[in-house]
Amino acid sequence: AQSVTQLDSQVPVFEEAPVELRCNYSSSVSVYLFWYVQYPNQGLQLLLKYLSGSTLVKGINGFEAEFNKSQTSFHLRKPSVHISDTAEYFCAVSSVSGGSNYKLTFGKGTLLTVNP
Amino acid sequence: GAGVSQSPRYKVTKRGQDVALRCDPISGHVSLYWYRQALGQGPEFLTYFNYEAQQDKSGLPNDRFSAERPEGSISTLTIQRTEQRDSAMYRCASSPQISNTEAFFGQGTRLTVV
Repeated sequence: AQSVTQLDSQVPVFEEAPVELRCNYSSSVSVYLFWYVQYPNQGLQLLLKYLSGSTLVKGINGFEAEFNKSQTSFHLRKPSVHISDTAEYFCAVSSVSGGSNYKLTFGKGTLLTVNP
Repeated sequence: GAGVSQSPRYKVTKRGQDVALRCDPISGHVSLYWYRQALGQGPEFLTYFNYEAQQDKSGLPNDRFSAERPEGSISTLTIQRTEQRDSAMYRCASSPQISNTEAFFGQGTRLTVV
């Protein structure tokens, strides 16, 4: 079984400030890791993913995340946020060897609000 | 189509009625997943298909829920005898690979049972 914990349900920041959204996971097997973003009235959009290789992954809109296996974390960062980054962010995992079920297990989400 | 399409976007139904939620995946995508998302929570797995075969339905809450994907494309999630606790956002995602490393989500169907 897998689980994902997003430690902050809400993160308010000012425009142009840096931000980190925290994600920790629990799994007995190797995992793929994902961050999705949901803008109001839209579907979930893939922001970035870690499958293998370099532990620092870069995604769209200037976001990046670092996989830390020893700490079972996959925190999302952006050095300077914009108003348009206001959205809900979901961290998710799936099993590397899922048989054929590669379902995503999501955290509860973090609402990022960027204020002017 | 350009993306995953779900219909209807919003559905209000009376308790006890049956509802059918439709998902039209991206053309050629082999895997299709259904998730349910309650308010303030992340999406939770319901069931999935590889091509037309339903591979795992362990996430379906009870036997009032069923899903099909008869031709390996469009999928329908059916809820019989709806109850208020079924109210949620229902999300569909499709992926070009079975490994599901790039899932594309639809906008979801907001179901409200009154």
